[in-house]
Amino acid sequence: NAGVTQTPKFQVLKTGQSMTLQCAQDMNHNSMYWYRQDPGMGLRLIYYSASEGTTDKGEVPNGYNVSRLNKREFSLRLESAAPSQTSVYFCASKKQGSYEQYFGPGTRLTVT
Amino acid sequence: ELKVEQNPLFLSMQEGKNYTIYCNYSTTSDRLYWYRQDPGKSLESLFVLLSNGAVKQEGRLMASLDTKARLSTLHITAAVHDLSATYFCAGGNTGKLIFGQGTTLQVKP
Repeated sequence: NAGVTQTPKFQVLKTGQSMTLQCAQDMNHNSMYWYRQDPGMGLRLIYYSASEGTTDKGEVPNGYNVSRLNKREFSLRLESAAPSQTSVYFCASKKQGSYEQYFGPGTRLTVT
Repeated sequence: ELKVEQNPLFLSMQEGKNYTIYCNYSTTSDRLYWYRQDPGKSLESLFVLLSNGAVKQEGRLMASLDTKARLSTLHITAAVHDLSATYFCAGGNTGKLIFGQGTTLQVKP
């Protein structure tokens, strides 16, 4: 059981470039989440997917898109990266009916 | 809209001492979570508090919830160096978590 995995671990982009952050879970969880963490702040929810086939905006969705590819995978896309999107991105998943979210190891993204 | 505030934001303490981290939240929250994060690492779940008066303990850490005061506390007993980390509380409904700013705890020998 790998839990929640994220790729890549590190990425450097130039302003205006696009990229997709990948997240997968092998725990058969229904809900998946994308958060960003900036220095000195807690995590902020970008988008979430309560179940396969549904996605919804969180606190800070601007500049991002998501795809719930199947029950296992939830990707986050930056269409035109900006320096303000420099952050650490965490994916999480949760079993239906449960309270606890399980977090992946994170992707450290720098936009120059 | 739920807002979550922690204090203090930074705490330096001696080994063996006791201290409390406070977490205030602004509106109703289904439940209250506490997480630990080591530098450069992901978040580790410590406690989930589900109802008023809930108290949970694990080792030197004890968390409690007062929903009437909209306050949760994380109490550290006889701190040891291994507890040095950043601690986050989070509240939320239907799985959408709102996090506090985090409290960085530094335990000195």
